[in-house]
Amino acid sequence: AQSVTQLGSHVSVSEGALVLLRCNYSSSVPPYLFWYVQYPNQGLQLLLKYTSAATLVKGINGFEAEFKKSETSFHLTKPSAHMSDAAEYFCAVTSVLGGSYIPTFGRGTSLIVHP
Amino acid sequence: DAGVTQSPTHLIKTRGQQVTLRCSPKSGHDTVSWYQQALGQGPQFIFQYYEEEERQRGNFPDRFSGHQFPNYSSELNVNALLLGDSALYLCASSAAGTGAVMRGEAFFGQGTRLTVV
Repeated sequence: AQSVTQLGSHVSVSEGALVLLRCNYSSSVPPYLFWYVQYPNQGLQLLLKYTSAATLVKGINGFEAEFKKSETSFHLTKPSAHMSDAAEYFCAVTSVLGGSYIPTFGRGTSLIVHP
Repeated sequence: DAGVTQSPTHLIKTRGQQVTLRCSPKSGHDTVSWYQQALGQGPQFIFQYYEEEERQRGNFPDRFSGHQFPNYSSELNVNALLLGDSALYLCASSAAGTGAVMRGEAFFGQGTRLTVV
């Protein structure tokens, strides 16, 4: 079975500071990994995805994530936080197991950006 | 492109009642998945429809059922509502031919907020 752990339900940063949101996954087969963002009262929007190509993945709004197989991690980073980045962030993993391609989501990390 | 549209946006129902939620996928998409997102949780997969058939199902009771129409739109039905069914219900669509379904990648709608009282 696959699973996702997002460390820290809340992360607080100052505007202009580095953003680091942690995600560790568990999968017995090579995974596909995703980060989604959810703004208040909105659905989920895909930020970026890892699909076994480059291990460093660049997404929208200046976010990027690095796939580290040895650490089973896919942490999300952004060099400089903006007030508009305040939202809920979800990490998800999809593994090809028995024909099932359904993603499993983490519980989410709320990013708080202080002026 | 209107993206994935869901209706209604909010709904209040009484325990024991039945509810139907609707979803129109993004233009060009033929696969629809439904998720339940409880407060403070990540989305949990309910089921997926393709070619008007349920292809995959998550760990949800039979009270949750769905349908996909020839135009790829979809409905989620929940019978005998429980207080615990209160959640944001998300519809997500993807195009099977692009490989997105295989990767678990999808476009999400804004959701329907269901409150059961």
